[in-house]
Amino acid sequence: EPEVTQTPSHQVTQMGQEVILRCVPISNHLYFYWYRQILGQKVEFLVSFYNNEISEKSEIFDDQFSVERPDGSNFTLKIRSTKLEDSAMYFCASSARDIETQYFGPGTRLLVL
Amino acid sequence: RKEVEQDPGPFNVPEGATVAFNCTYSNSASQSFFWYRQDCRKEPKLLMSVYSSGNEDGRFTAQLNRASQYISLLIRDSKLSDSATYLCVVGVTGGYNKLIFGAGTRLAVHP
Repeated sequence: EPEVTQTPSHQVTQMGQEVILRCVPISNHLYFYWYRQILGQKVEFLVSFYNNEISEKSEIFDDQFSVERPDGSNFTLKIRSTKLEDSAMYFCASSARDIETQYFGPGTRLLVL
Repeated sequence: RKEVEQDPGPFNVPEGATVAFNCTYSNSASQSFFWYRQDCRKEPKLLMSVYSSGNEDGRFTAQLNRASQYISLLIRDSKLSDSATYLCVVGVTGGYNKLIFGAGTRLAVHP
């Protein structure tokens, strides 16, 4: 069964450093998303991406965040200068169409020290 | 008011019990509705979509009341493996589908 994959599974970084989280969505999917979940809190929408551009972004997704689809398979989330409060689990998701089910990757646990 | 509200639980039930979870949502533009399941420190996994007519998948039954903006999930004959957090999720569609998650209801099924 096709699945969304994410790397790395864990990332530890120093405050102020840049991190890139990588995702490989399901191959025939066209809509891509990033969500995050701070420990003990709910899953929060960050950004949606379709046709090589951002469709919507949340208030969390400020200028420190960017997304890119550098090739036909990868979808990345970059945090330019990490803050302590960026520590969370980051989930990538994809769907075949906008209204269809979103499938989530296993997540990257980011810890900012 | 929270966009999606759920009773956080935990619900502690014996195997074989029937348990019901409720959820309310505030955004009347919500167009799709789901129950996801999340195990500890894992990704959310789709349990079932929820349709206006109500739908059933084995031991799981979901109901949607658009007028009341209310969603429910019923689990019959609980198994130990049903222990997880159940996330009520609504989708707001507008050329993309932004999912809005509830905080989840924890279920613990004991022998």
